[in-house]
Amino acid sequence: DAGVTQSPTHLIKTRGQQVTLRCSPKSGHDTVSWYQQALGQGPQFIFQYYEEEERQRGNFPDRFSGHQFPNYSSELNVNALLLGDSALYLCASSLANREVGTDTQYFGPGTRLTVL
Amino acid sequence: AQSVTQLGSHVSVSEGALVLLRCNYSSSVPPYLFWYVQYPNQGLQLLLKYTSAATLVKGINGFEAEFKKSETSFHLTKPSAHMSDAAEYFCAVSNDYKLSFGAGTTVTVRA
Repeated sequence: DAGVTQSPTHLIKTRGQQVTLRCSPKSGHDTVSWYQQALGQGPQFIFQYYEEEERQRGNFPDRFSGHQFPNYSSELNVNALLLGDSALYLCASSLANREVGTDTQYFGPGTRLTVL
Repeated sequence: AQSVTQLGSHVSVSEGALVLLRCNYSSSVPPYLFWYVQYPNQGLQLLLKYTSAATLVKGINGFEAEFKKSETSFHLTKPSAHMSDAAEYFCAVSNDYKLSFGAGTTVTVRA
């Protein structure tokens, strides 16, 4: 049973460019969340997708956008990259639970983005 | 919003010694709490979770955590540290649909 997978593993971009990161959830999961982890810090919530719609969003600018496909996989897009966007981007998948906040999120290995 | 605070950014223990990582939560409702471990250059791996079924939660790799409402704590322990326990550990609380993480505690294990 494959866990959460992310691609690419590493990415180097320059300021002003755009980037797309991809995530495939764990088998049987229908919800995907994205987190940004800056060096030496805990992960920060970007947004969550369920039923192909953004269900909740963290404190990130509109340069960060996402998409969820019918097969539950997801993309994270970042436009107009800034140096401060350099971080590990983590995808987590879960199975939506009727009781909000009780589903367990399982994380992928992450994509390391470096902005020069 | 619910939050967690991890006390101590670095913990150093000898191999075979007790590992104790501290986490306090702030919540107006019964929280759902998690501990994750992150090895260098990897994603987060779930160690254990508290969902109000039992106050003492056993996880993987010999770790366990005890939920203490009176102290608003959810500390992580392991009786005997192994070299492979060297990693960063994150406490997290569920906030609606998202997880809010502490700043993390780095564990080093001395031979």
